[in-house]
Amino acid sequence: SQTIHQWPATLVQPVGSPLSLECTVEGTSNPNLYWYRQAAGRGLQLLFYSVGIGQISSEVPQNLSASRPQDRQFILSSKKLLLSDSGFYLCAWRDNQNTEAFFGQGTRLTVV
Amino acid sequence: GENVEQHPSTLSVQEGDSAVIKCTYSDSASNYFPWYKQELGKRPQLIIDIRSNVGEKKDQRIAVTLNKTAKHFSLHITETQPEDSAVYFCAASRGTGRRALTFGSGTRLQVQP
Repeated sequence: SQTIHQWPATLVQPVGSPLSLECTVEGTSNPNLYWYRQAAGRGLQLLFYSVGIGQISSEVPQNLSASRPQDRQFILSSKKLLLSDSGFYLCAWRDNQNTEAFFGQGTRLTVV
Repeated sequence: GENVEQHPSTLSVQEGDSAVIKCTYSDSASNYFPWYKQELGKRPQLIIDIRSNVGEKKDQRIAVTLNKTAKHFSLHITETQPEDSAVYFCAASRGTGRRALTFGSGTRLQVQP
């Protein structure tokens, strides 16, 4: 069966520091991968999605970036964090059949 | 792109009552409509979904209805229980899974015992 791993679960980072969140999927090949952000008490905002290795689409302008170095690996990065980057970050994957998205456990990022 | 609006943002009901959450979407080509439940600090998890070739789907106490003409869909929870308390999100997408799900802003459901 397919599983999705996301880490770390929680992270406290100072303003201006770099960020790297990692997500991996097991049990499937060529997944469609997504990064969402959820601000406190808010909805799910799509940040990036990828349909293949090296293919990244950005949905909102920001100081975050994403990369997909391997088929089942999706990384969210920042060179310099802002206070407004705080939130709950969720990685997700879907297949090509337009079915449900499966979410990782999420990373709660607090920028101080 | 797709825009999904969801209401109400908060909903409080007494245990045993029914709860209804409504969503509208903008892209007439959208054909897949899932509902997710998110408990505090946890990941969203699918509870029910419906495709555009179906008008209604039911799974025990949960049902979803879809009106393609009006471009809206609703989640119905009957005989609510305290463990139904959570945030519920609707979503929509079209085509293949290469497109992302667009989510509504969420409804915080509180079931009072």
